Amino acid sequence: AQTVTQSQPEMSVQEAETVTLSCTYDTSESNYYLFWYKQPPSRQMILVIRQEAYKQQNATENRFSVNFQKAAKSFSLKISDSQLGDTAMYFCAFWGTGNQFYFGTGTSLTVIP
Amino acid sequence: DVKVTQSSRYLVKRTGEKVFLECVQDMDHENMFWYRQDPGLGLRLIYFSYDVKMKEKGDIPEGYSVSREKKERFSLILESASTNQTSMYLCASSSLTGRDEKLFFGSGTQLSVL
Repeated sequence: AQTVTQSQPEMSVQEAETVTLSCTYDTSESNYYLFWYKQPPSRQMILVIRQEAYKQQNATENRFSVNFQKAAKSFSLKISDSQLGDTAMYFCAFWGTGNQFYFGTGTSLTVIP
Repeated sequence: DVKVTQSSRYLVKRTGEKVFLECVQDMDHENMFWYRQDPGLGLRLIYFSYDVKMKEKGDIPEGYSVSREKKERFSLILESASTNQTSMYLCASSSLTGRDEKLFFGSGTQLSVL
């Protein structure tokens, strides 16, 4: 089975600052997808960003970008210009050749005004 | 707008009761999933289904069963609820064939077993 590790249970950042959330994974597959999901207090899981492993270019979505290091099996999320609405639980996820998604344990991010 | 709908947002049940959690998706997705979310443990897969009447065990299937009689509906069943099944339950769906797809989630059911 694949494993996804998020080593930062909690983080905080000042509004307008930049924060990076870490994620590492373990797999023997060569083709897979990686995701960051956000879960705000409303509990609705929202896709933040998706990266395809065969693509060298790091994915970006507005203020959100990733640093994908395939050889190191690392997939960190950078949030620029943090906003109060970014306060949420963030989950890193892996999807390989099977139909299962594997999730990390989550990082609780608090944006401080 | 695409939707995954879970029938209840909050449920309170007693130990030993049979509990049904219902999930419906309107995207004609082949895959459907049931996850359990607990603090510090992330999302753990209970069961998933890739087709009608098909099911596969996830990482923590003990104490649970599922039913998928129609493509759009995936039910999670707790045959005899226990206090250690108090948790947040998330249903999700995805396309079988589209690798550019994502996992679509319902808004969750917070189950308390007393």
